[in-house]
Amino acid sequence: SQTIHQWPATLVQPVGSPLSLECTVEGTSNPNLYWYRQAAGRGLQLLFYSVGIGQISSEVPQNLSASRPQDRQFILSSKKLLLSDSGFYLCAWSGDRGQHEQYFGPGTRLTVT
Amino acid sequence: TQLLEQSPQFLSIQEGENLTVYCNSSSVFSSLQWYRQEPGEGPVLLVTVVTGGEVKKLKRLTFQFGDARKDSSLHITAAQPGDTGLYLCAGATGNQFYFGTGTSLTVIP
Repeated sequence: SQTIHQWPATLVQPVGSPLSLECTVEGTSNPNLYWYRQAAGRGLQLLFYSVGIGQISSEVPQNLSASRPQDRQFILSSKKLLLSDSGFYLCAWSGDRGQHEQYFGPGTRLTVT
Repeated sequence: TQLLEQSPQFLSIQEGENLTVYCNSSSVFSSLQWYRQEPGEGPVLLVTVVTGGEVKKLKRLTFQFGDARKDSSLHITAAQPGDTGLYLCAGATGNQFYFGTGTSLTVIP
């Protein structure tokens, strides 16, 4: 069966510090991968998605970047965090053959102080 | 940007009551998903509807996809406290998913 992991679960970082959040998927190959940010009790904002290694599409201009160094690894980064980067970050995967379902990781709660 | 509006945004009901949550858009989607999310956790997929007019049932939950594939509804019969959570709809087009604004449901025992 497929599983998706995210770490860390929670993170408190000062303004101006760098960020690296990691997401890995097991049990599937060539997944589509996604990074979302969620404000409290609200819907999800798509940040980045990737259909393959090194292929990243950005949905929203921002202080963040994403990379996909391996087939099942997706990394969200920032060189200098802003207060507005605080939020709940979710990684998700979907199949690469037109499957309609997305499966989410447990999320990372980021607080920028 | 393809927007999905959910209504109501917040809903607080007594155990045993029925409720309906709506998900509306002006865009056509190839499929639509419903998710349920607990605080501090990732959303969990409940159902996917693909065909216009399709109806799916999951125990006390009934999901319907609009004939034009632009909207959907979620009906819960005899709500229970365990149904409490954030309900999210998401429309799929190609490799992208567009999430609704969310409905926060609280079922009071």
